[in-house]
Amino acid sequence: SQELEQSPQSLIVQEGKNLTINCTSSKTLYGLYWYKQKYGEGLIFLMMLQKGGEEKSHEKITAKLDEKKQQSSLHITASQPSHAGIYLCGADMRGGNTPLVFGKGTRLSVIA
Amino acid sequence: GAGVSQTPSNKVTEKGKYVELRCDPISGHTALYWYRQSLGQGPEFLIYFQGTGAADDSGLPNDRFFAVRPEGSVSTLKIQRTERGDSAVYLCASSLRDSPLHFGNGTRLTVT
Repeated sequence: SQELEQSPQSLIVQEGKNLTINCTSSKTLYGLYWYKQKYGEGLIFLMMLQKGGEEKSHEKITAKLDEKKQQSSLHITASQPSHAGIYLCGADMRGGNTPLVFGKGTRLSVIA
Repeated sequence: GAGVSQTPSNKVTEKGKYVELRCDPISGHTALYWYRQSLGQGPEFLIYFQGTGAADDSGLPNDRFFAVRPEGSVSTLKIQRTERGDSAVYLCASSLRDSPLHFGNGTRLTVT
């Protein structure tokens, strides 16, 4: 079974619409990282969350980690074609610089 | 400054052959990680180095896979007797302690 579940698996939105991607763990998280990946490229770091209830924003993207530190959401406001790609959440499930476990990703398409 | 560099970007090899994949981390990054990503999946952890030593190699699928980092900088992932199931994108990432992972663009390995 997957330790980290992402939903939805894929998403098609019209340009200008808002959207939310979720990442759920069965375990308490020491850290939660959001990355974006375009086809044929590596992962680009977006945001890191470590404290329960933490929320961070960069441009039109906001990420939150819930109080219990088992679920995170990524919200994009007024989506643009440049937001298209695969969004991956990565979790530190053990603490102490241990390797991240990744979800399967959410493929986002933004149509004009 | 330069990011994580991986070479080659693409590698096609025949079943049974030996391959080496190279990763040049960001200068000064002490931690180095190898992940493998299959189509439609998130990155899967293989091995993690802290300095020259492998701190965690629990993700290596079998003894055909081996990685080294002799001087604490460049790392090489070695795969012996390649199988078609080894075909994937091999991603390398580096980081400073308690900081996000920075990924390279990956090496796409195809075993025919």
